[in-house]
Amino acid sequence: DAKTTQPPSMDCAEGRAANLPCNHSTISGNEYVYWYRQIHSQGPQYIIHGLKNNETNEMASLIITEDRKSSTLILPHATLRDTAVYYCTHNAGNMLTFGGGTRLMVKP
Amino acid sequence: DAGITQSPRHKVTETGTPVTLRCHQTENHRYMYWYRQDPGHGLRLIHYSYGVKDTDKGEVSDGYSVSRSKTEDFLLTLESATSSQTSVYFCAIRGEPGLSTDTQYFGPGTRLTVL
Repeated sequence: DAKTTQPPSMDCAEGRAANLPCNHSTISGNEYVYWYRQIHSQGPQYIIHGLKNNETNEMASLIITEDRKSSTLILPHATLRDTAVYYCTHNAGNMLTFGGGTRLMVKP
Repeated sequence: DAGITQSPRHKVTETGTPVTLRCHQTENHRYMYWYRQDPGHGLRLIHYSYGVKDTDKGEVSDGYSVSRSKTEDFLLTLESATSSQTSVYFCAIRGEPGLSTDTQYFGPGTRLTVL
């Protein structure tokens, strides 16, 4: 099974960059790293994914280390609406396994 | 947002009754998933499907069955609901594995309460 480690909680000031780390030491060479977030009890929302190159989209940037055992999700200008639980995961077979995630609190 | 809906969105039922939850997609994806989410456990996979009539178990499949008679619908059935199955259930669809579009998208969830 996919195993990821994330800090349980983080705070960020509104307008500042939020950098969320994740360790995924069991990742295999052909597995993508995925990031999702969940606001209240809504369905998890896809943010971004990558294989080994850094990726950027309209929501966030993803930095993956060269050995692929860890990654960082960057929200460049956090807003109050970014307050959520953020999950990193990767495919193990046909499954995504979600750990506890990081609860990000964006404060005014 | 990905074209994925779940019904019902909320349901209260009694112990011992059968319950069926429906997931419907408009993306024509092969892969569909059922997860449950409980406090302290995060998201856990119940069953998934990789095509019509092709399904497999996840990590918490006991007490649940699934059916996929057409690409767009994936049904989750609790044959005899128990209080331990009180949970929020999420369906997900997945783009074709191995491609850059290999991503899961989640539905809005169904909150099930078993009394």
